[in-house]
Amino acid sequence: GIQVEQSPPDLILQEGANSTLRCNFSDSVNNLQWFHQNPWGQLINLFYIPSGTKQNGRLSATTVATERYSLLYISSSQTTDSGVYFCAVYSGGSNYKLTFGKGTLLTVNP
Amino acid sequence: DARVTQTPRHKVTEMGQEVTMRCQPILGHNTVFWYRQTMMQGLELLAYFRNRAPLDDSGMPKDRFSAEMPDATLATLKIQPSEPRDSAVYFCASGLTPDGQSGQPQHFGDGTRLSIL
Repeated sequence: GIQVEQSPPDLILQEGANSTLRCNFSDSVNNLQWFHQNPWGQLINLFYIPSGTKQNGRLSATTVATERYSLLYISSSQTTDSGVYFCAVYSGGSNYKLTFGKGTLLTVNP
Repeated sequence: DARVTQTPRHKVTEMGQEVTMRCQPILGHNTVFWYRQTMMQGLELLAYFRNRAPLDDSGMPKDRFSAEMPDATLATLKIQPSEPRDSAVYFCASGLTPDGQSGQPQHFGDGTRLSIL
C-alpha cells in the first residue's frame, strides 16, 4: 500500500515563529488532507489539497503531486496551534480509505 | 457547518461488556468510515460503507467487532465482548464517493474515547 512519511516528528516553536511541515507519499494520490488534532483529540480538517496551493488565514498548504509531497506552512504561530498535524492520502481505486502519516507534534510556547 | 456526530464521546466499561458506538454522518454523504487511533498503530481504517453497503471491513477483528448502517443517518460499531486492548479513540468519518480520478474529502467526527478496564 501507499506509504506516507511526515517530517519533522516533533517541533517546538516560540509564539510568533513560522514553520513548515512536510508530507511525502509513495504513489500518486486522488486525495490529500491535512488535519490538526487538538489537545482534546478532535481531528480538525485544515485542507483538502490533492494538488496546488490553498491558504486559510495563517495557514497555507502546497501539494506538488508530480513530486509526491505536500507542505503545510504555519505563520506567526500561536499557542493554540499546538497539537499533532496529520497528513492523510487516498491513492485511488475501489478502496477509499485514507492512509495517515504518523504526524508532527507541534508545541508552541508562549 | 455540517458535522459528523458521534456518541458517546467517552465510554468506560469492564472487560467482557458489549460496547456500541454510534455515528450520524453528514446529510447527503454516501460513504462512512470507521477509524481507530492508538498510540502504537496510529490511525487505521476498520471498516467503510458506501450507500449503506459494507465494502471493506478487513481492518476489523471479525470475531468481536461488527459494523452496520441500519439507515442512511446512522452507523454503528459494536464490540462484543470487549477487551482491554480495544481501548482507543474510534473516529467516524463521512464523505462522497470519489468520482473516477477525483477524490473527495472525508469529514471526521469528534471521536469516542473508549477505555476497557
